[in-house]
Amino acid sequence: GAGVSQSPSNKVTEKGKDVELRCDPISGHTALYWYRQSLGQGLEFLIYFQGNSAPDKSGLPSDRFSAERTGGSVSTLTIQRTQQEDSAVYLCASSLGTGWDTQYFGPGTRLTVL
Amino acid sequence: DAKTTQPPSMDCAEGRAANLPCNHSTISGNEYVYWYRQIHSQGPQYIIHGLKNNETNEMASLIITEDRKSSTLILPHATLRDTAVYYCIVRGVKAAGNKLTFGGGTRVLVKP
Repeated sequence: GAGVSQSPSNKVTEKGKDVELRCDPISGHTALYWYRQSLGQGLEFLIYFQGNSAPDKSGLPSDRFSAERTGGSVSTLTIQRTQQEDSAVYLCASSLGTGWDTQYFGPGTRLTVL
Repeated sequence: DAKTTQPPSMDCAEGRAANLPCNHSTISGNEYVYWYRQIHSQGPQYIIHGLKNNETNEMASLIITEDRKSSTLILPHATLRDTAVYYCIVRGVKAAGNKLTFGGGTRVLVKP
């Protein structure tokens, strides 16, 4: 079946501009995660959605970052007033439920801030 | 979640089995061992997970020692497409923040 999809696959933007990244999770998965990965680095957790519960935003690095999940499915990660240090691959993952359920990742969006 | 230790890199001949070790000596009773891999420029890919019994699926086998302090991921017939960084992760049922944390992983290079 269809996996997690993300768009765009690549995004180049100028410093100070806003960007929106989209994630379509696997159908039926109630949990959705956003991570980012800088070149050669591990995963950095950003935010976690589970059903109708309030999201866990503990990983968002600043108030320039926000995310929403509409209708319990598609999610959008928004970065306002982008900075060069925001350049990274932004990964979305979804899982069937909570806790230790296996997370399945999308291909990521490579963001480059000039 | 318990910490894991993996060798930084290993080479494997195409067609041969690749055995990837992982130490997790501080694992607790309700923590699972997960393996993911990340092929260059792609998102992490789930491989397999287990609690205490050995597990096998279409991608790999997972052998967990009786004391659960270490495990081995086995790729039975490595192909060039298996070249990737392999991450061993230990996670509890209620993992802190539900987030995944990858360590350094093992960079596996499959050679013709």
